[in-house]
Amino acid sequence: GAGVSQSPSNKVTEKGKDVELRCDPISGHTALYWYRQSLGQGLEFLIYFQGNSAPDKSGLPSDRFSAERTGGSVSTLTIQRTQQEDSAVYLCASSPGLAFRDTQYFGPGTRLTVL
Amino acid sequence: SQQGEEDPQALSIQEGENATMNCSYKTSINNLQWYRQNSGRGLVHLILIRSNEREKHSGRLRVTLDTSKKSSSLLITASRAADTASYFCATIRTGTASKLTFGTGTRLQVTL
Repeated sequence: GAGVSQSPSNKVTEKGKDVELRCDPISGHTALYWYRQSLGQGLEFLIYFQGNSAPDKSGLPSDRFSAERTGGSVSTLTIQRTQQEDSAVYLCASSPGLAFRDTQYFGPGTRLTVL
Repeated sequence: SQQGEEDPQALSIQEGENATMNCSYKTSINNLQWYRQNSGRGLVHLILIRSNEREKHSGRLRVTLDTSKKSSSLLITASRAADTASYFCATIRTGTASKLTFGTGTRLQVTL
């Protein structure tokens, strides 16, 4: 079926505003991941959802960041009171959920610019 | 923090030449994966090598893994202009389920 989709593709916001980024994983994939990539850098893990288990939030950089996954499918990453250092490409990935055996399938990302 | 470090950071070759990129990591792993990223956006999975494997091939790609040295290499043979991209290694550390830890990437430029 269709791949991982993310919306919006680009988001420009003012410092201090809240933003929501959306990820639609591949249908049937139980695992969903959020990563952040700052300009010219590698990917930084943010959060991981696996089925109905409690998410692994160990990568969230501050309490301004939160994520939800409703109904085991769509996920929303929320950044409150955005700061300029939050500017980055936010990438979502999903996998069938067979732990470390899985390839992760990435979406095209959302480019967030905080002015 | 980054688990892997790719070497070199940037590589420029001519079409038809081979490109070799190296990745080093710090902790024990379940597997190591290589991804390609075009234009700073979505990543495409290239190949996965498990910790008990030493070499793997896929088309023009050859990946090696040396767990004693905590290093991996990606060889692209007979490179094409379309191979121009950033290449990242990513590891799944032992005991961390499916969380990928990415290296800093190698920017490959293939010229005609």
